[in-house]
Amino acid sequence: DTAVSQTPKYLVTQMGNDKSIKCEQNLGHDTMYWYKQDSKKFLKIMFSYNNKELIINETVPNRFSPKSPDKAHLNLHINSLELGDSAVYFCASSPQDSRHGYTFGSGTRLTVV
Amino acid sequence: SQQGEEDPQALSIQEGENATMNCSYKTSINNLQWYRQNSGRGLVHLILIRSNEREKHSGRLRVTLDTSKKSSSLLITASRAADTASYFCATDSGGSNYKLTFGKGTLLTVNP
Repeated sequence: DTAVSQTPKYLVTQMGNDKSIKCEQNLGHDTMYWYKQDSKKFLKIMFSYNNKELIINETVPNRFSPKSPDKAHLNLHINSLELGDSAVYFCASSPQDSRHGYTFGSGTRLTVV
Repeated sequence: SQQGEEDPQALSIQEGENATMNCSYKTSINNLQWYRQNSGRGLVHLILIRSNEREKHSGRLRVTLDTSKKSSSLLITASRAADTASYFCATDSGGSNYKLTFGKGTLLTVNP
């Protein structure tokens, strides 16, 4: 059983389109995250939710809108896609306290053409 | 903002040799973690060291932490070709929300 699963694994789309990435975790963790990894492999946090509540919202364009219908799911919707949005997007989850590491999904490679 | 900086950016060694990667950070931390990322895959948590710990071991991994120098090192002993991956340090600066800030990573290549 995959602990943190993201879909789709690959996403190729044209500029201006709207797309969504889904994430689910079956670990019972309270906190979920979205990270963006650019072409130089730099990982930057975008959002974090704790038990469906948004707790971290880094400086991200408002074209990006996360949604957490329950604590096991965190989806990312992106409007009006731009070339610069091309990256690998990782979902992760963790217990609420920081004594444990994150568990990452396998990533969604988004290519905007 | 970026917290950790790994050094070197890339490291190539022969199987059986030891690999050492370093990480420096800027602000005080609650803990520091190391992750591995194989090509095209997600990150895998390797080890966590708290700010009041100086050294930690897990199998062939040894992590040290020097909070006075704001630095950490990851040593992989007796490396194997399967250890080829990117290695990232990540810091938790504490606070009310648990948030990890990652460095740029070290690409380790272990040649058979």
